[in-house]
Amino acid sequence: GENVEQHPSTLSVQEGDSAVIKCTYSDSASNYFPWYKQELGKRPQLIIDIRSNVGEKKDQRIAVTLNKTAKHFSLHITETQPEDSAVYFCAAILGGNNNDMRFGAGTRLTVKP
Amino acid sequence: DAMVIQNPRYQVTQFGKPVTLSCSQTLNHNVMYWYQQKSSQAPKLLFHYYDKDFNNEADTPDNFQSRRPNTSFCFLDIRSPGLGDAAMYLCATSRGGGTGELFFGEGSRLTVL
Repeated sequence: GENVEQHPSTLSVQEGDSAVIKCTYSDSASNYFPWYKQELGKRPQLIIDIRSNVGEKKDQRIAVTLNKTAKHFSLHITETQPEDSAVYFCAAILGGNNNDMRFGAGTRLTVKP
Repeated sequence: DAMVIQNPRYQVTQFGKPVTLSCSQTLNHNVMYWYQQKSSQAPKLLFHYYDKDFNNEADTPDNFQSRRPNTSFCFLDIRSPGLGDAAMYLCATSRGGGTGELFFGEGSRLTVL
């Protein structure tokens, strides 16, 4: 079954607005949660990650929050720009085999100028 | 400098004709992954190696095999490609232990005629 669920599947925002993408995971032992950005025809690139010992991490316009109790984590992009348009994937390591990295279904973000 | 190198970048094969995709890494990472990514979908984990330990996903078809002869190289063998196997195949590496970033190669795009 699916271990990482991601919502929404598509998201369209106006330039300068914020974008939020949410993921939930099923394995309470999971302890590492990365976010990847994939532009058309390119490989996924890590943009930010968070480990289970912190609740929030920020890097300029990008932040990730983690709620371990509820088993969900979110990506926040502020002051969006057209170059933020891409597909974003959340991922989580399954706790049972701590190298088993599973991806969410992806969110296609479009930032309209 | 490329750290995870996949060859070939583009592979065209005929239905049923075996294909081998290769991946090499200069990072000396313990874990090497093979993901299949179809258009507009998330990367789907096929299998991964932790050193020489092979971890196969339960839903990976028998048609897909892998070899890791040494730390640096990993191969994906598709024994009898079908039309449904046309996809981008992504190799990735990580240090392992569930705490590290995945480093992706550029991918090998497989077309099946």
